[in-house]
Amino acid sequence: AQKVTQAQTEISVVEKEDVTLDCVYETRDTTYYLFWYKQPPSGELVFLIRRNSFDEQNEISGRYSWNFQKSTSSFNFTITASQVVDSAVYFCALRPVTGGGNKLTFGTGTQLKVEL
Amino acid sequence: KAGVTQTPRYLIKTRGQQVTLSCSPISGHRSVSWYQQTPGQGLQFLFEYFSETQRNKGNFPGRFSGRQFSNSRSEMNVSTLELGDSALYLCASSLGPGGGNQPQHFGDGTRLSIL
Repeated sequence: AQKVTQAQTEISVVEKEDVTLDCVYETRDTTYYLFWYKQPPSGELVFLIRRNSFDEQNEISGRYSWNFQKSTSSFNFTITASQVVDSAVYFCALRPVTGGGNKLTFGTGTQLKVEL
Repeated sequence: KAGVTQTPRYLIKTRGQQVTLSCSPISGHRSVSWYQQTPGQGLQFLFEYFSETQRNKGNFPGRFSGRQFSNSRSEMNVSTLELGDSALYLCASSLGPGGGNQPQHFGDGTRLSIL
């Protein structure tokens, strides 16, 4: 069975603060993909990043960075210099490389509120 | 390039009725998956279709069904609606049938309310 845990239900920060969203996963698959999605109030899930289980390089994209650590089964997401527009619910998700099709297992999400 | 289109955006039904939701994937995408999102259960996988065939199914009762047409458009149907079916239903599309390194792209969802 697969499981994704996002222990932080809600985080509030002041604009320009850095914030890290935690994601811990469980899987018996040896190869898998990890994803982060953003859900603004409109409801659409916006794809942010995909990471292969065999590639532990960290990635930076503008103000976003991701820290994948297979040894601790974690895939954390950091927003640097947060902005009000970053306010949304963020979901971490897991999918095996083979088997399971396109089925994503999601965490429960972290509500991020960025205030002025 | 147009994104995933879901219709209608909002729907209100009463218990016992049935409902059909529609999803048009991104042009060229042939795989469509459906998810249910509720405050209590979060995001849960319903089913996945590719080439008009259901490839994968989540743990939902038989009242939830779907189909895919030759143009890759998909519909999901819920019969004998219950109050607990109130949710945001999200559709996602991707190029292939599953696995692979392609991310899924989601639509805005259909918000279904059962009275």
